[in-house]
Amino acid sequence: QVQLQESGPGLVRPSETLSLTCTVSGGSISTYYWSWIRQPPGKGLEWIGYIYYSGSTNYNPSLKSRVTISVDTSKNQFSLRLSSVTAADTAFYYCARGSGDYVYWGQGTLVTVSS
Amino acid sequence: DIQMTQSPSSLSASVGDRVTITCRASQSTSNFLKWYQQKPGKAPNLLIYGASTLQSGVPSRFSGSGSGTDFTLTISSLQPEDFATYYCQQSYSTPITFGQGTRLEIK
Repeated sequence: QVQLQESGPGLVRPSETLSLTCTVSGGSISTYYWSWIRQPPGKGLEWIGYIYYSGSTNYNPSLKSRVTISVDTSKNQFSLRLSSVTAADTAFYYCARGSGDYVYWGQGTLVTVSS
Repeated sequence: DIQMTQSPSSLSASVGDRVTITCRASQSTSNFLKWYQQKPGKAPNLLIYGASTLQSGVPSRFSGSGSGTDFTLTISSLQPEDFATYYCQQSYSTPITFGQGTRLEIK
């Protein structure tokens, strides 16, 4: 059974960079696409982007200038970096397997942007 | 971007009721339409993909239909565990987009 687990700081200062890692267990990351999706508290879901294990990426244009998704196949992990954060970036961040059919998700991690 | 609009935004219903949620896309998504169920504090759970194919392990009281721009999710007989928020999502083109959600509450 594939499992995903997000990790990273729960508090980020405004204008700084949010960094999260998703660790995949129960299967190799060297297949499939891997995605990041976020959800502000009490609000809807927003797709951030995805990466293929080879490194090719596709980002939401609304975030593209600030987002980097990378993959480390040796560690079975992929990561999210979101620069120049503001309070509007406060959300639950989920990692998920796939590029559109999301069966496997992490439990989500709340990242709060605040000074 | 393809905008996904769900209706209603919230719905009150009773156990045993038949419930239908609709999702309209701003342009055709063919059948690249999914439905998710989300409970408080949990990640979304995929119910339906390909607009009408039931994901493995999902009870048969859930069904999906539609193609192009208009889609529906039907729950044939509500069970207590079905009270949650439901989202549609298109993957026909990027950026992948979700509906705003339909909150299903107990009457």
